[in-house]
Amino acid sequence: DVKVTQSSRYLVKRTGEKVFLECVQDMDHENMFWYRQDPGLGLRLIYFSYDVKMKEKGDIPEGYSVSREKKERFSLILESASTNQTSMYLCASSPRREQYFGPGTRLTVT
Amino acid sequence: KQEVTQIPAALSVPEGENLVLNCSFTDSAIYNLQWFRQDPGKGLTSLLLIQSSQREQTSGRLNASLDKSSGRSTLYIAASQPGDSATYLCAAEEGGSNYKLTFGKGTLLTVNP
Repeated sequence: DVKVTQSSRYLVKRTGEKVFLECVQDMDHENMFWYRQDPGLGLRLIYFSYDVKMKEKGDIPEGYSVSREKKERFSLILESASTNQTSMYLCASSPRREQYFGPGTRLTVT
Repeated sequence: KQEVTQIPAALSVPEGENLVLNCSFTDSAIYNLQWFRQDPGKGLTSLLLIQSSQREQTSGRLNASLDKSSGRSTLYIAASQPGDSATYLCAAEEGGSNYKLTFGKGTLLTVNP
């Protein structure tokens, strides 16, 4: 079975902090994705990566950056957390087309 | 820009009923259409993926169909069970999009015992 893990299920941070969300997959997938999910807005793509050190902006990259130094790990970085980044963050990985999701991290910024 | 719409937003049915969830998309130049299930507070589980050249896919009690020309997909659930209660999302991958999915907002399904 494909396994995608995220470093935390729940996270509470203060405004202005630098926040790291980690995602690890164990299936040697080329592609990895970060989404955020908000009530009424659905899932929106923040960034994705199709290879080590390769990344592309999604629909809402502002305020975020990413890092992919190893194939199995894709990190989402909130440079200076703000309250409007309170959300559920979902990571996914994909060998080609079908995407496999992690359990999500519910981030609260106070 | 692709837009994906799911109707209804919520659906409540008695156990044992057959039901259909609807998904429509504005740009028919899709590579594939995927259906996911999401339980409260959890991640998404992939249910079915229909390639653009296919008309339908089946897995157990689930059957998904795709009509690209009309921009529609349906998810049929046979003999619904309380364990089917969840939010169901569809997502369209655009041709040449480098794997980017556009999601609908989902249909919240409740199956009552």
